[in-house]
Amino acid sequence: DAKTTQPPSMDCAEGRAANLPCNHSTISGNEYVYWYRQIHSQGPQYIIHGLKNNETNEMASLIITEDRKSSTLILPHATLRDTAVYYCIVRGHMEYGNKLVFGAGTILRVKS
Amino acid sequence: DTAVSQTPKYLVTQMGNDKSIKCEQNLGHDTMYWYKQDSKKFLKIMFSYNNKELIINETVPNRFSPKSPDKAHLNLHINSLELGDSAVYFCASSGAGELFFGEGSRLTVL
Repeated sequence: DAKTTQPPSMDCAEGRAANLPCNHSTISGNEYVYWYRQIHSQGPQYIIHGLKNNETNEMASLIITEDRKSSTLILPHATLRDTAVYYCIVRGHMEYGNKLVFGAGTILRVKS
Repeated sequence: DTAVSQTPKYLVTQMGNDKSIKCEQNLGHDTMYWYKQDSKKFLKIMFSYNNKELIINETVPNRFSPKSPDKAHLNLHINSLELGDSAVYFCASSGAGELFFGEGSRLTVL
């Protein structure tokens, strides 16, 4: 079962930052926060992951609160192509027995 | 080159038939997965193999049988197809961290 809570949907204006929140209050010390997205009819795509420090890559930034009970994915300049379902997932890292369990995610609609 | 490729992309068949979906990854990963996404869009893990060994087997009817001839391939065979098997099936692979997914195989059972 998913261990995260996300809003069902969000809208964002094109060119603006999209901030997608995620609650994971039962996260354990060795669990990472992963973000994936699924653009319509495509396979899920990895975005970013982190343990406790903030992370940034070419796609997005991940801000994790100090108590690790919540996080925010930031798409700094959203485009129409970022319209997708965004999944926040908690998972143990680098252990092949750990499953990636998807919840309902957040539908992000980027509008012009 | 496609990292995780699945065939066929679309499959339409009658109830009671047996069908297979093939998956291949060229990423050199040790672990492969099958996920099912139903009409309600929930993605659920079905199976996972690590170096040809089954390591995750969720509550899936035994009509579904995965086979991994080598660590680059994970096929899914489905016997006696039912209407409820209609879904998009995603294959994925992983090394030490993130999963890479294929584009999915849409199965429609009539």
